[in-house]
Amino acid sequence: KQEVTQIPAALSVPEGENLVLNCSFTDSAIYNLQWFRQDPGKGLTSLLLIQSSQREQTSGRLNASLDKSSGRSTLYIAASQPGDSATYLCAVNGYGQNFVFGPGTRLSVLP
Amino acid sequence: EAGVAQSPRYKIIEKRQSVAFWCNPISGHATLYWYQQILGQGPKLLIQFQNNGVVDDSQLPKDRFSAERLKGVDSTLKIQPAKLEDSAVYLCASRIDRDVYTFGSGTRLTVV
Repeated sequence: KQEVTQIPAALSVPEGENLVLNCSFTDSAIYNLQWFRQDPGKGLTSLLLIQSSQREQTSGRLNASLDKSSGRSTLYIAASQPGDSATYLCAVNGYGQNFVFGPGTRLSVLP
Repeated sequence: EAGVAQSPRYKIIEKRQSVAFWCNPISGHATLYWYQQILGQGPKLLIQFQNNGVVDDSQLPKDRFSAERLKGVDSTLKIQPAKLEDSAVYLCASRIDRDVYTFGSGTRLTVV
């Protein structure tokens, strides 16, 4: 059974810092890995999707990497802003299977 | 493009009462999901529909939870009777292709 963990559970940084969020999964036979953002009282918004054949994906100040063999992914946020404050969740799925979500990292970027 | 609509936004009920949630997915999205998100945890899939047929309900507590998607559009999720541990946010999501999901804002249920 696939399990997804995320470290740290919460993170507080001053504005402008670069930061890394970590995601680990127990079964390396994944099809996709996806990073989501969740604002308080809102649903999830997809940030980046990495297919199993890819090593990383970039969108603006966000860069996500995937190391299937070690069961890890990182989300790098450059030059953080207060508007980046949210909970970030990663999720993985196997081929033809539904996503399994991690518990998320709650990020606070202080002005 | 309109998003996934859910109602109500909040609901407080006593244990052993029943409750129903409603979801209207994005037009044309054949796949619809209901997730349960307990505070501090990631969403857990309860049920997946493809049009009006159930694809995966392996994690749905069928003794108290039920869901339907009539005509392959709107969906309702019902809990009867509710327990304290059902307190959570219930998220609906829809998908048209690949792994691109659109989530609603959820219904926050508090069982007292």
